[in-house]
Amino acid sequence: NAGVMQNPRHLVRRRGQEARLRCSPMKGHSHVYWYRQLPEEGLKFMVYLQKENIIDESGMPKERFSAEFPKEGPSILRIQQVVRGDSAAYFCASSPRTSGANVLTFGAGSRLTVL
Amino acid sequence: AQTVTQSQPEMSVQEAETVTLSCTYDTSENNYYLFWYKQPPSRQMILVIRQEAYKQQNATENRFSVNFQKAAKSFSLKISDSQLGDTAMYFCAFMKRDGANSKLTFGKGITLSVRP
Repeated sequence: NAGVMQNPRHLVRRRGQEARLRCSPMKGHSHVYWYRQLPEEGLKFMVYLQKENIIDESGMPKERFSAEFPKEGPSILRIQQVVRGDSAAYFCASSPRTSGANVLTFGAGSRLTVL
Repeated sequence: AQTVTQSQPEMSVQEAETVTLSCTYDTSENNYYLFWYKQPPSRQMILVIRQEAYKQQNATENRFSVNFQKAAKSFSLKISDSQLGDTAMYFCAFMKRDGANSKLTFGKGITLSVRP
């Protein structure tokens, strides 16, 4: 039973390019969360998605960032026109479709470096 | 909004000894959950222990236990018989009980080093 799969593990982009990070949730999980971890910091919530729906995007920057979780395929976090401040580790987590204390299962993260 | 504070940036403990990591939080919610996650050098986030706020009994998972003081909004993690593999960053996290939304608010973390 594969866990949460994120790719790429490492991504290098130049300023102004686009970054796409992918996340495949655990089998049976229909809820996906994206978090960002800056150096020496804890994880900060970005967005919560269910299939074809953005449920909570209160942590997403207003510009350049978008996320989707289509009916088929992985969830995508897209960062347009990257800047150096976007350099961070981006973690995806998934949970099953139940209410209550869902324990999030995290992926290994994607480390974005902007040159 | 919730906040989670981990005021100790780093700690060190001798192998086989006991160490306690501190965490405080602030919330106006009454129904919530608290977690400790471990992040080893591999960067994988691993759940260590979970506490439900409505339960008075402190959670325990093998060598890991918590001291949950709801009135004081304190949630410390005790690691007994520390092992070298416990070396990692440890994050305290808060989750409001909000239907299916399992959004976590994390503290800044503490780096724990276990000395041989």
